[in-house]
Amino acid sequence: AQSVTQLGSHVSVSEGALVLLRCNYSSSVPPYLFWYVQYPNQGLQLLLKYTSAATLVKGINGFEAEFKKSETSFHLTKPSAHMSDAAEYFCAVSDGPNAGNMLTFGGGTRLMVKP
Amino acid sequence: NAGVTQTPKFQVLKTGQSMTLQCAQDMNHNSMYWYRQDPGMGLRLIYYSASEGTTDKGEVPNGYNVSRLNKREFSLRLESAAPSQTSVYFCASSQRGLAGTDTQYFGPGTRLTVL
Repeated sequence: AQSVTQLGSHVSVSEGALVLLRCNYSSSVPPYLFWYVQYPNQGLQLLLKYTSAATLVKGINGFEAEFKKSETSFHLTKPSAHMSDAAEYFCAVSDGPNAGNMLTFGGGTRLMVKP
Repeated sequence: NAGVTQTPKFQVLKTGQSMTLQCAQDMNHNSMYWYRQDPGMGLRLIYYSASEGTTDKGEVPNGYNVSRLNKREFSLRLESAAPSQTSVYFCASSQRGLAGTDTQYFGPGTRLTVL
């Protein structure tokens, strides 16, 4: 069984500061990992995904994440927060296409950006 | 392209009432999914359809039924609504490509309240 843990249900940063959202996973198969963002009253949008190619993955809006197998982590970072980054962020792990491409989500981290 | 559309956007039901949530996608995707989102729990998979004509249970299927009407449409039915089904429901679709690289595309959600 696979699972995802996101440390910190709420993270607050100042505008211009580093954003770090933590995600740890467990999976019995090589994982495929995703970060999604949800803006208020909207559906989820894909930020980036790791599919066993480069361990440092760049996504939209200046976000990136690094896959660290030894730490079973896939933390999301952005060098400089912008007010428009305020949203809820979800880390997810997939069991891959041969098992139905099921996504298991973490509980989410709400990012608040202070002026 | 409209992407993934869901109707209705909001719904209030009384305990014991039934209703069907509709979902359609215009991306010619093979797979479709229904999730529910509850605070602090991320998204949990209710049912999914890997391809037209097939449906399978996800993590939390009790109290729900689904129909994959055709390749475009995937509906979720609550036969006898309960307050525990108060949630935000998201439909998603994916192409089911190779190597687990599927991106799931989400609809805007249906906010359901059961009194």
